[in-house]
Amino acid sequence: GESVGLHLPTLSVQEGDNSIINCAYSNSASDYFIWYKQESGKGPQFIIDIRSNMDKRQGQRVTVLLNKTVKHLSLQIVATQPGDSAVYFCAENIGGYGNKLVFGAGTILRVKS
Amino acid sequence: DAGVTQSPTHLIKTRGQQVTLRCSPISGHKSVSWYQQVLGQGPQFIFQYYEKEERGRGNFPDRFSARQFPNYSSELNVNALLLGDSALYLCASSLVQGVGQPQHFGDGTRLSIL
Repeated sequence: GESVGLHLPTLSVQEGDNSIINCAYSNSASDYFIWYKQESGKGPQFIIDIRSNMDKRQGQRVTVLLNKTVKHLSLQIVATQPGDSAVYFCAENIGGYGNKLVFGAGTILRVKS
Repeated sequence: DAGVTQSPTHLIKTRGQQVTLRCSPISGHKSVSWYQQVLGQGPQFIFQYYEKEERGRGNFPDRFSARQFPNYSSELNVNALLLGDSALYLCASSLVQGVGQPQHFGDGTRLSIL
């Protein structure tokens, strides 16, 4: 279904280390995926997207990996910085449903200086 | 360029009242979607509008309604407010409707029901 958990997992990393945030999506018919970053008091900010005909896409300091076999997405952040601290959500767009996005539960990323 | 703008930023209402939230999409964007985000959860889809027509609706009661204007701005209306309607209401815009169109969010309206 579309429900998400109340207790967000937390990933703590040291400044300068690489981070990997994982997400399991729900619908095998989903054909477009987006990672968002949400800071306290703000709306979700677009980071990177990937279509289902790809398995990897790179941006600036970020890479998204898609494994359709196990319905899994990951977001890799290189050289994590304090400004990367936020809640990260993956979202899936189910084909045939227009722009409707279904969001995952979210992961809190804490960067220690 | 301005991003998605929403107003008001905060709102306090009492049970049974009605509320209207407003959204201006990014210039040139024709599709607007509304989401509800309860504390500690990811956003949940409420509506999508494209070219002034409703193109998608989530699992929300009929107390929730929306519309899109000729300039592509949008309003979300909620009637007979309940305590459970307390949430952050987010508006997102994209260039057109369809898969592969990244949605860009505003900072939302924080609605509190007393």
